[in-house]
Amino acid sequence: AQSVTQPDIHITVSEGASLELRCNYSYGATPYLFWYVQSPGQGLQLLLKYFSGDTLVQGIKGFEAEFKRSQSSFNLRKPSVHWSDAAEYFCAVGLSGTYKYIFGTGTRLKVLA
Amino acid sequence: ETGVTQTPRHLVMGMTNKKSLKCEQHLGHNAMYWYKQSAKKPLELMFVYSLEERVENNSVPSRFSPECPNSSHLFLHLHTLQPEDSALYLCASSQGGVGEKLFFGSGTQLSVL
Repeated sequence: AQSVTQPDIHITVSEGASLELRCNYSYGATPYLFWYVQSPGQGLQLLLKYFSGDTLVQGIKGFEAEFKRSQSSFNLRKPSVHWSDAAEYFCAVGLSGTYKYIFGTGTRLKVLA
Repeated sequence: ETGVTQTPRHLVMGMTNKKSLKCEQHLGHNAMYWYKQSAKKPLELMFVYSLEERVENNSVPSRFSPECPNSSHLFLHLHTLQPEDSALYLCASSQGGVGEKLFFGSGTQLSVL
C-alpha cells in the first residue's frame, strides 16, 4: 500500500541554523513528490515538487529537496532558517493517473530566536 | 490569498443540525477537492471533482454529501454528524490531476457538539 512517513513530529532549531526534514514514501511506480507548508489558521502552500529530471529541486522561500530513489526518500532542506519558517510541513506523494495525493502526518517546526 | 475561498471559517453544530460548507475558486481550475485534517493524522482525501464529475470518493460516510454545481464552486453538505467529525475541512483546486499543484483554501474549522 502507498504511504508517506515523516518520522519527526516536532523539530526545534535556532534561527540561522540549517534544517533537514525527513520524508520516506512507499509507492511502486515513479512518484510525484511534494512538500507543502501550513501556517497556523491557513491552508497548505506548495514549497516544491518533483517528478523527473534533476534530483535536487529548488523551491520557494529558499527551500530545496533531494530525491533519492534508492532510499525512497525526499528530504527537505534549508541552509539557514528564519523565524518566519515556523510552521507545519507536509510531504506528499501523488499517485500517477489519479487525483489522489497521500500526505504524511506532518512535522511541526519551531524556531528559536 | 491563494484564490480559493472557504466559508464559513468556523462552524459549531449539534449532531442533529444540517449545515453546508462552501468553497469557491477563482483560478479557472478544472478539479476541486475536499480534504479532512484531524490532529495527528494525515490529510484524508474525501472527494474529488473533475469538470463537475465526481472522480474520487474515499469511502466517506453518507452524512457527508458533496455537490459541485460548476467548476468554480464546491459544497459539502453535512447532516447528523458525530463528534469525531470535528476537524478542519480543507478545499483545494488544481488544473488537472496528480502532478499538478494543489491550491488550498484556509479551511473551515468544524466542531460537532
